[in-house]
Parts: sequence; C-alpha cells; structure tokens
Amino acid sequence: QKEVEQDPGPLSVPEGAIVSLNCTYSNSAFQYFMWYRQYSRKGPELLMYTYSSGNKEDGRFTAQVDKSSKYISLFIRDSQPSDSATYLCASLYGNQFYFGTGTSLTVIP
Amino acid sequence: DVKVTQSSRYLVKRTGEKVFLECVQDMDHENMFWYRQDPGLGLRLIYFSYDVKMKEKGDIPEGYSVSREKKERFSLILESASTNQTSMYLCASSLRGTPYNEQFFGPGTRLTVL
Repeated sequence: QKEVEQDPGPLSVPEGAIVSLNCTYSNSAFQYFMWYRQYSRKGPELLMYTYSSGNKEDGRFTAQVDKSSKYISLFIRDSQPSDSATYLCASLYGNQFYFGTGTSLTVIP
Repeated sequence: DVKVTQSSRYLVKRTGEKVFLECVQDMDHENMFWYRQDPGLGLRLIYFSYDVKMKEKGDIPEGYSVSREKKERFSLILESASTNQTSMYLCASSLRGTPYNEQFFGPGTRLTVL
C-alpha cells in the first residue's frame, strides 16, 4: 500500500465550478500535508501546506485535513482555465516527502 | 528568486550508455532529491542527500547512483541506461532544520532511452 493514495482522474469541469481533489494517507504519524500544482512540462510548485488537522484558505483555494479519517482535500472555488494542471498531494515525515500520483484537472472555458 | 536548474530538458540516449543528469540549486539548501515521475505511478524517490558527500537510497535506487561533491550540485548517474529508465526526472531541494521546509523542484529532464 502506498503511503499516499490519490485518484488520478482525469477531472474535467466548466469554468466557475467548485473542484474537490482528494487523497488518503496510511501513516497516522504524518503531520505535514502539502498540495503541489504541476503545469504541463514543468516541475511541481507548492500551492499550500497545512499542519495537522483543520482548514487553511488562500484565495480561491482551501486545503483540508481530517486526521481521524486520514483524508486530505483541496477545494478550488470559481475555477479558472489557468487552474488546468496536475495536482499532487504530499505528506512529510522526517525528511522524506511522500507523494500521491497526481490528479489531472482541466477547466473548460 | 529561488532556483533549481537541471542540465537538460530533453535527452535521448541508447541502451547501455552511461547517462549523467545534473542539478544545481542556488538557495544554499542542505537537502537535495532525485525523483522520477511516470504516468499512474506519480513521483518516486530515487536518492536523496542531506549534505555534501552524503547519500541515502530512496524507494527505487536500482540502476542509479548519485554524487554530491558540492553543496549546490547533485548528480544522478545511470550506469547503463535501459529502456525502462525512460521517464521524467525531477530534482528538488529543501532546507534542513525546521520541521517543515518547502521542497523546490527543477523543471525536469525528459529522458528517452532507445
């Protein structure tokens, strides 16, 4: 079992839709959780990170962690075509990062 | 501006060739990482390094070696390239010390082994 599991999609939504991206993780010791965004032919870049449980909001993006169910979510409000990318969830334990496989998102104008 | 650079964006090599992938970061980061990224498998850690001349195996080190002679440079070596090493290779770096430090990625090298 992978440490972090992610539905690969692909996901296709109309512009303005609310997008929900989800991951699960297996190690209850994980405390740092990240979302990376990767545009085509580029390296991933950090979008948001959260510590432990709860929500974190940054503009149109909200990251949510539910440690009781080992569930990580990223919500995108008012999605834009520029949000079209692959989104990777990740957890940090010690010095090692554990990544999901990524979800490909396309926002259609 | 934070920067991780990789020596090539695209590389085509033949089976059996020795391949060097170079990564340089200008942020004085202690930690450096090499990943490969494949469809459906995501990012898999090949090797990482916490300091100069230090290296640790990741999840898939077989067929690869690394070298870190200077803090800013981390090289990935494919001793004898094989077709199953065709992939996107990503280098990353991060600071050491605090519980969480952002990992910065390079643009990637797309390697094709024929």
